[in-house]
Amino acid sequence: DTEVTQTPKHLVMGMTNKKSLKCEQHMGHRAMYWYKQKAKKPPELMFVYSYEKLSINESVPSRFSPECPNSSLLNLHLHALQPEDSALYLCASSHRDGANVLTFGAGSRLTVL
Amino acid sequence: AQKITQTQPGMFVQEKEAVTLDCTYDTSDPSYGLFWYKQPSSGEMIFLIYQGSYDQQNATEGRYSLNFQKARKSANLVISASQLGDSAMYFCAMRGGGSEKLVFGKGTKLTVNP
Repeated sequence: DTEVTQTPKHLVMGMTNKKSLKCEQHMGHRAMYWYKQKAKKPPELMFVYSYEKLSINESVPSRFSPECPNSSLLNLHLHALQPEDSALYLCASSHRDGANVLTFGAGSRLTVL
Repeated sequence: AQKITQTQPGMFVQEKEAVTLDCTYDTSDPSYGLFWYKQPSSGEMIFLIYQGSYDQQNATEGRYSLNFQKARKSANLVISASQLGDSAMYFCAMRGGGSEKLVFGKGTKLTVNP
């Protein structure tokens, strides 16, 4: 079982909907990440939270809004998405020390109609 | 800026044989880390192995070893005794020293034949 839990596993939404993706880890990691992965492409970094503060925003459109309520939780709020936003959204966490290995969740597969 | 290059879109290997997946990188940072991840069709990214730029010895983790050639800027993954369950996408990734950003290569799809 993965130690990073993402919900929902699948999400279908219309372009006018508001939805959220959730990510949870209980490994004591202090950094959390959102990556976006289109089919047959590598993951692309969207956001990084370090000690619950947003440290990296890779120029992501404002229709994606991250939130880190505490050190164990990471949300991605979705609003007014476009069909091209359909992708696998991967959450990850890391200790931020040593090798700083990222542990990924199983992903949330989003389809925007 | 960091760049990762994986030139093999797909690789085939017979079960129980060894296979090498290529990865070259480019960075101006003297300190960096190199990672390999496996992504089965289910989608989860599974960490396999890590090599630090100052590590003197090549990293090994069970059937996985990393052939690190610093002067050539290569970090190839060697999988020994391939198993059917090794069929997946394999991504090489790099992080520059002090950076929180992990950059991935385009990946190599490995198929293990019985």
